[in-house]
Amino acid sequence: GAGVSQTPSNKVTEKGKYVELRCDPISGHTALYWYRQSLGQGPEFLIYFQGTGAADDSGLPNDRFFAVRPEGSVSTLKIQRTERGDSAVYLCASSMYTGTGYSGNTEAFFGQGTRLTVV
Amino acid sequence: AQSVTQPDIHITVSEGASLELRCNYSYGATPYLFWYVQSPGQGLQLLLKYFSGDTLVQGIKGFEAEFKRSQSSFNLRKPSVHWSDAAEYFCAVGSGYSSASKIIFGSGTRLSIRP
Repeated sequence: GAGVSQTPSNKVTEKGKYVELRCDPISGHTALYWYRQSLGQGPEFLIYFQGTGAADDSGLPNDRFFAVRPEGSVSTLKIQRTERGDSAVYLCASSMYTGTGYSGNTEAFFGQGTRLTVV
Repeated sequence: AQSVTQPDIHITVSEGASLELRCNYSYGATPYLFWYVQSPGQGLQLLLKYFSGDTLVQGIKGFEAEFKRSQSSFNLRKPSVHWSDAAEYFCAVGSGYSSASKIIFGSGTRLSIRP
């Protein structure tokens, strides 16, 4: 598609439920990132994928959070036993991996986000 | 650990006035620096980035930023703001050597424009 697509745009769930958030990156982008943005804060890194593998998952807050990217394209962020503190906007971004070092075409393009509300 | 500080939570400037948003970073090696803008209901958009070379970087929408290693700063500037510039601005640092490494964001500066 033309941009990074995230679905759903809004999700309201009850405390303790399981949720899945989907990200469809820009076609051909091999790097995919998940961020979480709480109200009044900057985006907080969660995890990034290079192809199918999680190259860095150091930002996942605990083992209730998990993300997959089985075919190196679409990614799903999964949250188990949701808590009210998980309420935030979850952002996905993708970029082109050009090897070691940064270059001019490594801009990360962000989706509109999924607003998750846990009640 | 890498970090970014944006000391101004909220700034208000008059339309047509000049703008400077402050950003300080903490990073052990050569930093890769970014400014993003987020408008209400919009996704994050990259304004400009610094990887190496000329320390004065030009971006979109008339913005520029200057990398000052001695001050660990990467301030964003615009000579004359427009009402449409009202948004949240985030400074960020790339935290690795790979082009796909994670980006660490500051907490943001909200810009309001006075008519």
